Amino acid sequence: EIVMTQSPANLSVSPGERATLSCRASQSVDSSLAWYHQKPGQAPRLLIYGASTRATGIPARFSGSGSGTEFTLAISSLQSEDFAVYYCQQYNSWPQTFGQGTKVEVK
Amino acid sequence: EVELLESGGGLVQPGGSLRLSCGASGFSFSTYAMSWVRRAPGRGLEWVSGISGSGASTFYADSVKGRFTISRDNSKNTLYLQMNSLGAEDAALYFCAKDIAAAGHPLYFDFWGQGTQVSVSS
Repeated sequence: EIVMTQSPANLSVSPGERATLSCRASQSVDSSLAWYHQKPGQAPRLLIYGASTRATGIPARFSGSGSGTEFTLAISSLQSEDFAVYYCQQYNSWPQTFGQGTKVEVK
Repeated sequence: EVELLESGGGLVQPGGSLRLSCGASGFSFSTYAMSWVRRAPGRGLEWVSGISGSGASTFYADSVKGRFTISRDNSKNTLYLQMNSLGAEDAALYFCAKDIAAAGHPLYFDFWGQGTQVSVSS
């Protein structure tokens, strides 16, 4: 099973600032990487798939990059609704696996 | 608008059973594979089980194989998860999630429910 490791575990950012989240796979997953975020009491929401394609309705301030084993999610200017827990997920190899999450909180 | 609504969670004793349900609306339910994903306290997301749109193919994480059974009733737009021999390690918030594909191994999920809580304690 592929292990997904996210860093940092916690990220403190001021509104309007840029946030950069990392996700590393224990072996190559090509570009089969998705990002989600989840706010307390809400359902997880798909942000990015194919490592860099924004899902329907996701603002352009979210961008994904990377391939193979190293991936990045960048949020260009954090809005209040972006403070949440972010998860990466690989779906190149079964079973698909998730990272442990990065909590983005207000600085 | 796609909606997924889980139910059936609760407190169960170790070794007990629960049946989770997920009602779906807003899309052609039988066209898409579905999965159950859980999040235990202090832990990340863990995929639990998946089923193809037709229901012909099912998939399980090793941690639940032989104890959990996934099924669906396409006439009722409902997904199920029968959980037997529950242990403390199964305590989690359980989400149902819509796959982007119809069949094959689960991929990624474009819609999720808000979850139903399962607690295991004597």
